Amino acid sequence: GDSVTQMEGPVTLSEEAFLTINCTYTATGYPSLFWYVQYPGEGLQLLLKATKADDKGSNKGFEATYRKETTSFHLEKGSVQVSDSAVYFCALSDFFKDTGKLIFGQGTTLQVKP
Amino acid sequence: EAGVAQSPRYKIIEKRQSVAFWCNPISGHATLYWYQQILGQGPKLLIQFQNNGVVDDSQLPKDRFSAERLKGVDSTLKIQPAKLEDSAVYLCASSLGASANNEQFFGPGTRLTVL
Repeated sequence: GDSVTQMEGPVTLSEEAFLTINCTYTATGYPSLFWYVQYPGEGLQLLLKATKADDKGSNKGFEATYRKETTSFHLEKGSVQVSDSAVYFCALSDFFKDTGKLIFGQGTTLQVKP
Repeated sequence: EAGVAQSPRYKIIEKRQSVAFWCNPISGHATLYWYQQILGQGPKLLIQFQNNGVVDDSQLPKDRFSAERLKGVDSTLKIQPAKLEDSAVYLCASSLGASANNEQFFGPGTRLTVL
């Protein structure tokens, strides 16, 4: 079945460092891909998404490009801030059924130190 | 605009007891999801409603879990009897419709501890 694999955490960076969180997926067809973020004490919220190959999703300085050839959707940010400390989840949606059901990776914790 | 509301926020019970969780989605959202998030894992869909009908309950352990959305608005998720492995955060989400094009909005979750 469909699945999502994220890099192991936690990831610890200093403020203004470059961030990459790897995400690869296994799916049939052409799923939509998402990054969700969970800040401490808050619910999951959509960070960005891409719906077809080579699309780039972006929001709040974060970017991710849908790479079908490598089945990847890596999250990047050029300069992280302490406020970016959170848990990040990569997810995909079922292409054939398209019910909106999301399949999540295990999450990657990011800690940014001042 | 009010977000997705869930209650209680925390619940501690002993195994074999029963527990129920409540979710109030964003007004006008036809689709409602219940996810289970075990510590260290990503959320896993338990059940999805479109209005008051079930779209997907393939991963719901139906021998102990049940859910309803009788009037197509609020929903309850029940576990009876609870097992130790049910300890998790239960997330409710809602969206305008049942499609990946419709953003899902998540509630804060209910953290369940089964002793």
